[in-house]
Amino acid sequence: GQQLNQSPQSMFIQEGEDVSMNCTSSSIFNTWLWYKQDPGEGPVLLIALYKAGELTSNGRLTAQFGITRKDSFLNISASIPSDVGIYFCAGLWEYGNKLVFGAGTILRVKS
Amino acid sequence: KAGVTQTPRYLIKTRGQQVTLSCSPISGHRSVSWYQQTPGQGLQFLFEYFSETQRNKGNFPGRFSGRQFSNSRSEMNVSTLELGDSALYLCASSWDPAGVSYEQYFGPGTRLTVT
Repeated sequence: GQQLNQSPQSMFIQEGEDVSMNCTSSSIFNTWLWYKQDPGEGPVLLIALYKAGELTSNGRLTAQFGITRKDSFLNISASIPSDVGIYFCAGLWEYGNKLVFGAGTILRVKS
Repeated sequence: KAGVTQTPRYLIKTRGQQVTLSCSPISGHRSVSWYQQTPGQGLQFLFEYFSETQRNKGNFPGRFSGRQFSNSRSEMNVSTLELGDSALYLCASSWDPAGVSYEQYFGPGTRLTVT
């Protein structure tokens, strides 16, 4: 299958700071999804991207579908304590028929 | 619209036993996928069902099986439980209009502990 490399693995930031994380692959993807998972719960869909270059926001979250179609980025502005959790990227490979997930970015926020 | 529901939320079983987990998708969603999540391995795809047929399968042993009913509800079964099967089992549903699953919506998961 096609792999997604998600980075960073973890982040420990100060409340109020902006956060950036990304997902990359050597293969082309047609769809990128970003999820957030709180401890003991299932992942929640944050943003879905379908076109190269697409930039979509959801409140303080902004995600972009890379122009090469091999990467995607998620930014969180002005982080708050409830942003804590694991963020997953997921993609649909151009020749695939199921989602591929990244390993996740663990976000911790110091208040 | 109600979200994806999974039952039970927590389960403790003994090695060698079998277990059945249940998932009810969002109303109107026809595709159901199952994932195993462990701290070291992340989200591992088990299988996907669409219209009562298994459409995709991950790299798990035959002890892991599933099925889907005509109302799209799905069950997964693990036989002969091993300690390594302890994990959070997640179910996700999607509408799947084009025959390919995307925008999956996850349930809260079932936490299985094998002792």
